[in-house]
Amino acid sequence: GAVVSQHPSWVICKSGTSVKIECRSLDFQATTMFWYRQFPKQSLMLMATSNEGSKATYEQGVEKDKFLINHASLTLSTLTVTSAHPEDSSFYICSARDGRDHYEQYFGPGTRLTVT
Amino acid sequence: GQNIDQPTEMTATEGAIVQINCTYQTSGFNGLFWYQQHAGEAPTFLSYNVLDGLEEKGRFSSFLSRSKGYSYLLLKELQMKDSASYLCVPMDSNYQLIWGAGTKLIIKP
Repeated sequence: GAVVSQHPSWVICKSGTSVKIECRSLDFQATTMFWYRQFPKQSLMLMATSNEGSKATYEQGVEKDKFLINHASLTLSTLTVTSAHPEDSSFYICSARDGRDHYEQYFGPGTRLTVT
Repeated sequence: GQNIDQPTEMTATEGAIVQINCTYQTSGFNGLFWYQQHAGEAPTFLSYNVLDGLEEKGRFSSFLSRSKGYSYLLLKELQMKDSASYLCVPMDSNYQLIWGAGTKLIIKP
């Protein structure tokens, strides 16, 4: 149980375009979902926390107008990188927390974004 | 501030035992996770400790001392596939995970 999927697993896009990444909890209801970014050889960096049906809470330094997060249902959250630039190239990972407990986060497999 | 201290890199031999130490400082504490992360992949859950003591799970064991702000991950019977980064991740009073850079473990034959 507790499986989280992400789609796509990798994507290449041109500078200036937008990319949408989906995160789904497959066998549980995720009241809270988290979006992380990881650059090579660096730690995971939390970008934002989203609760179903409400606006996402962004971490300091993360542009909410650039990284649009939608958590419209208990099993789906999306991250849209708008007007992507090469510096947005990174590994984006989502995780989900089951509404029945406070602690464990279940991670998706990640999405490798390359902006050319 | 919140801080995690782990060795940057460790090397061990296949079949041996290795202990990865971690000290942490957080604003409140709601337990500590250990994750394994292979290059280019997302983290995978290894263990969760919220009380002091040792938790054993197969070849992996994790220890916590809350008063010392200290944890370790013990890996036995090392296999080549254990080459990965190991992340000590405490959770603060807001149930937020605090991430560091982890320890890169290199297993040699």
